[in-house]
Amino acid sequence: AQSVTQPDIHITVSEGASLELRCNYSYGATPYLFWYVQSPGQGLQLLLKYFSGDTLVQGIKGFEAEFKRSQSSFNLRKPSVHWSDAAEYFCAVGAYPWYGAGSYQLTFGKGTKLSVIP
Amino acid sequence: NAGVMQNPRHLVRRRGQEARLRCSPMKGHSHVYWYRQLPEEGLKFMVYLQKENIIDESGMPKERFSAEFPKEGPSILRIQQVVRGDSAAYFCASSGAFSGANVLTFGAGSRLTVL
Repeated sequence: AQSVTQPDIHITVSEGASLELRCNYSYGATPYLFWYVQSPGQGLQLLLKYFSGDTLVQGIKGFEAEFKRSQSSFNLRKPSVHWSDAAEYFCAVGAYPWYGAGSYQLTFGKGTKLSVIP
Repeated sequence: NAGVMQNPRHLVRRRGQEARLRCSPMKGHSHVYWYRQLPEEGLKFMVYLQKENIIDESGMPKERFSAEFPKEGPSILRIQQVVRGDSAAYFCASSGAFSGANVLTFGAGSRLTVL
């Protein structure tokens, strides 16, 4: 069964500092990988996704993530954090091919809460 | 262009009561999914519906939970005779028809508290 591990429950960084949120997945086939962000009282917003091709993907709000198959990781990065980035971040894995049960039965990690010090 | 709308945002019920959670998909989307997030857990798939059809309910608890997506109106997740363990955030997501790059758009969630 597929699984997602986000080792860090809570991270605090200073505004302007760089950020890396870790995500490790377990999946027996080609994974589709996602990062979602949830601000307080808001829905989950898709930051970026990886389906295939270039292993470094760019997302919205200046975020990027790198897929490393050998490490089963899909870490999220941002070079300079803004106070508005404080939120909870969820990594998720979906199945290939992009139809059938795997395409909507996403498996989520437990999330990483990001606090930003002004 | 409204996104996925869920209501109520917060719902409090006593044990044994019924909870009804509603979800209106994003405009143009015809597929609805419900996920549940228990405290300290990640979101877990519950059910996938299209209009008037349940496509996959493999993640639904066998008893007390039901879902529908009628021809008119929102999708409804219904929990009968709620227990404390049902306290969770329930997220609805929607998507368009599968086209090779399906992405789920999530609502803000409905937070159920059972006293």
